[in-house]
Amino acid sequence: AQKITQTQPGMFVQEKEAVTLDCTYDTSDQSYGLFWYKQPSSGEMIFLIYQGSYDEQNATEGRYSLNFQKARKSANLVISASQLGDSAMYFCAMREGGARQLTFGSGTQLTVLP
Amino acid sequence: KAGVTQTPRYLIKTRGQQVTLSCSPISGHRSVSWYQQTPGQGLQFLFEYFSETQRNKGNFPGRFSGRQFSNSRSEMNVSTLELGDSALYLCASSFTGSGEQYFGPGTRLTVT
Repeated sequence: AQKITQTQPGMFVQEKEAVTLDCTYDTSDQSYGLFWYKQPSSGEMIFLIYQGSYDEQNATEGRYSLNFQKARKSANLVISASQLGDSAMYFCAMREGGARQLTFGSGTQLTVLP
Repeated sequence: KAGVTQTPRYLIKTRGQQVTLSCSPISGHRSVSWYQQTPGQGLQFLFEYFSETQRNKGNFPGRFSGRQFSNSRSEMNVSTLELGDSALYLCASSFTGSGEQYFGPGTRLTVT
């Protein structure tokens, strides 16, 4: 089974609007971490936001927020007030238990339209 | 604080050759992880080093190896290159390995 599922291969959003990128995960560990990264066409993976499995509050970082629904095993990324520079590939990733490595989803290509 | 740096940024090699990629982590970070990104397989974990010791290894053949130096800089080596090794190789650093991982710009390897 896929550990991280991103069901939206591509998304379009109008500039200044909000957009939600979906991510569901599968783990039997009680302790895990969820991450979102942005990858522009240049290739570098840019860390956006992190949510720990025991965190009570949803994580927020500027225009990014993570909608964490533990019972549904979902960790959706919400980008508010989209900008043209937000056009990129977005990856959801998970680290389970004491593991060191991240497991990534297949990504969502976001295009912001002027 | 300087970010993660990787050299070289681009590399073209021929089948059968070997290649060495380098990664310098963020100052103070002791964990370095390597990932391979291809259009077909996505992002896959190669290995992780902490304090010069390999702590974890992904499901890759023995042709893929790495090491870490006392200053936390890391190198990965791929021997007997195959066409399928063409990929973007990303290095990530973190303080302990269990926190946020910060990635470098990657090395794009093309095998012809």
